[in-house]
Amino acid sequence: SAVISQKPSRDICQRGTSLTIQCQVDSQVTMMFWYRQQPGQSLTLIATANQGSEATYESGFVIDKFPISRPNLTFSTLTVSNMSPEDSSIYLCSVDTAGTSGRAPYEQYFGPGTRLTVT
Amino acid sequence: GQNIDQPTEMTATEGAIVQINCTYQTSGFNGLFWYQQHAGEAPTFLSYNVLDGLEEKGRFSSFLSRSKGYSYLLLKELQMKDSASYLCAALDSNYQLIWGAGTKLIIKP
Repeated sequence: SAVISQKPSRDICQRGTSLTIQCQVDSQVTMMFWYRQQPGQSLTLIATANQGSEATYESGFVIDKFPISRPNLTFSTLTVSNMSPEDSSIYLCSVDTAGTSGRAPYEQYFGPGTRLTVT
Repeated sequence: GQNIDQPTEMTATEGAIVQINCTYQTSGFNGLFWYQQHAGEAPTFLSYNVLDGLEEKGRFSSFLSRSKGYSYLLLKELQMKDSASYLCAALDSNYQLIWGAGTKLIIKP
């Protein structure tokens, strides 16, 4: 299993500012995932962060808006840049127990989430 | 395209049994997950199926039919604490999770 912590747990930010969300895992993992979950919606994958390489972004998400850092195997940050009210959401960090996708069966663990409100 | 379908909301009575269905269409398939998510909390893992059949884990069971692109989560002896959203997610050929919108389960006394 993996224990994941996120900071901050929630924040209220003004339009046009940026917020950096931190994700810390208690074990080394190859891949970390960043999700967004808007109210009443399911999870949407923003990007996959591998240590030592550029993050891989999903369709509709770009590095300029959501820059990601992955300095080591236990830590990652997601920045929400130039925020607008549409960015109000819960942002979740996730890892899978295999460390490297492709080894099944495995479980995907989630951090507690960061609830962001943009005014 | 890739798609996961599950009912938006279901209601059941405490002590009863409820079955939450999920159908999926993905590019390749490497397994089907069920997660439970209480309001305001992160999803927690319930089950993983990659072979056809029923996997039982206490009060919860999960079923998979790969030929039909179909899965269900069966919850027995429902308790009030089972009120939550239940998310179905399929793993595609690139080992990427495709998420359903979730089924909100309401348990009534």
